[in-house]
Amino acid sequence: QSALTQPASVSGSPGQSITISCTGTSTDIGRYDYVSWYQQHPGKAPKLMIYDVNNRPSGVSMRFSGSKSGSAASLTISGLQAEDEADYYCSSYTTTNSVIFGGGTKLTVL
Amino acid sequence: EVQVLESGGGLVQPGGSLRLSCAASGFTFSGYAMSWVRQAPGKGLEWVSGIRGSGGSTYYADAVKGRFTISTDNSKNTLHLQMNSLRVEDTAVYFCAKGMGIRNFDLWGRGTLVTVSS
Repeated sequence: QSALTQPASVSGSPGQSITISCTGTSTDIGRYDYVSWYQQHPGKAPKLMIYDVNNRPSGVSMRFSGSKSGSAASLTISGLQAEDEADYYCSSYTTTNSVIFGGGTKLTVL
Repeated sequence: EVQVLESGGGLVQPGGSLRLSCAASGFTFSGYAMSWVRQAPGKGLEWVSGIRGSGGSTYYADAVKGRFTISTDNSKNTLHLQMNSLRVEDTAVYFCAKGMGIRNFDLWGRGTLVTVSS
């Protein structure tokens, strides 16, 4: 099963909003509301930012939000801050009882 | 403190075996699904295997099915990954992750590096 499709990179200025897309198929994103988003800073472990499409774990800033339409999902970060610069990965549960990740998106804060 | 800590990584020759461990603390280990996720050098995340809480069902990525075995020791709050017939392409940092089911991962370890090379 191929990875979910994400843009390789996105960028934005402090204070702006950015959106990262994540495209899947009818056997993953299109089938379940089990999309998650992870933030990973260089040399660090990933951190869960959004789960089940649009839920934030305790402690994650309200600036992070998620959505889904059909077989595509997106992560929006509003009020961009320097510390948001990181790699972001989407993931989805699949019909084969597995989890598939996106290829990752590098966010640059200009 | 709620945490998971991996160990057991190292250098192994192609065709060899390695057993990874993940020690959990600060939460009721048997009540949660656990997974292994790996990241090859400079690459993205790849889910490897998951196991449901209370010694439940196990799941594997196609790339490791038949070669890797995931298990838990609830008496020691420890997750294991037995890796056999290792290939060069298995080289990666292996992360242990606590999940909400196996569909998402809310607690990650720092990872352990597995290098498969002759």
